[in-house]
Amino acid sequence: TQLLEQSPQFLSIQEGENLTVYCNSSSVFSSLQWYRQEPGEGPVLLVTVVTGGEVKKLKRLTFQFGDARKDSSLHITAAQPGDTGLYLCAFRDGGSQGNLIFGKGTKLSVKP
Amino acid sequence: DVKVTQSSRYLVKRTGEKVFLECVQDMDHENMFWYRQDPGLGLRLIYFSYDVKMKEKGDIPEGYSVSREKKERFSLILESASTNQTSMYLCASSFQSGSSFYEQYFGPGTRLTVT
Repeated sequence: TQLLEQSPQFLSIQEGENLTVYCNSSSVFSSLQWYRQEPGEGPVLLVTVVTGGEVKKLKRLTFQFGDARKDSSLHITAAQPGDTGLYLCAFRDGGSQGNLIFGKGTKLSVKP
Repeated sequence: DVKVTQSSRYLVKRTGEKVFLECVQDMDHENMFWYRQDPGLGLRLIYFSYDVKMKEKGDIPEGYSVSREKKERFSLILESASTNQTSMYLCASSFQSGSSFYEQYFGPGTRLTVT
């Protein structure tokens, strides 16, 4: 059973376009994290969202946590080739002392 | 800045060899994790550790073992490498305290090829 669904699985766009990727679940999260993994590297934490309805901005990236805390979205404005990578969402496995459950990610390719 | 380092970026081993992958973190994190990442399968947890000398099996522990003799170091051992263990191996660490959201900090990964 996949607890986190990320969509789309793949996205290929031109530089300058806007895009949104999604992370959905039937579970309620106490918090949710977004990571970006560049080709050949490890994932890097971008943001943690905690409060339902919360919006966080990181330069051209806007993260939103759903009101019911079951879903989240990441919007990128005017995408650049440097945004290319795998975008992963993750939430804490409540029964553990710190394990995270990761989605399979959205693989984004931004062409110049 | 949190730094997680892995002993090798690329490794090529032969079937049947014993393989050691080492991971070191410099942030005094209690938790350490080993994942493997394969196309279409996402990140899969192999083993994790919440404390020195402590280890717990993750989702896919078969064919692997781990060692944590010091807080900053977590080693993954492939007892007898097989071709189906060709993969990207990622180490991560995190705090355990309730004031954190257990964000994980990853190393750069080791691309292991078993021939």
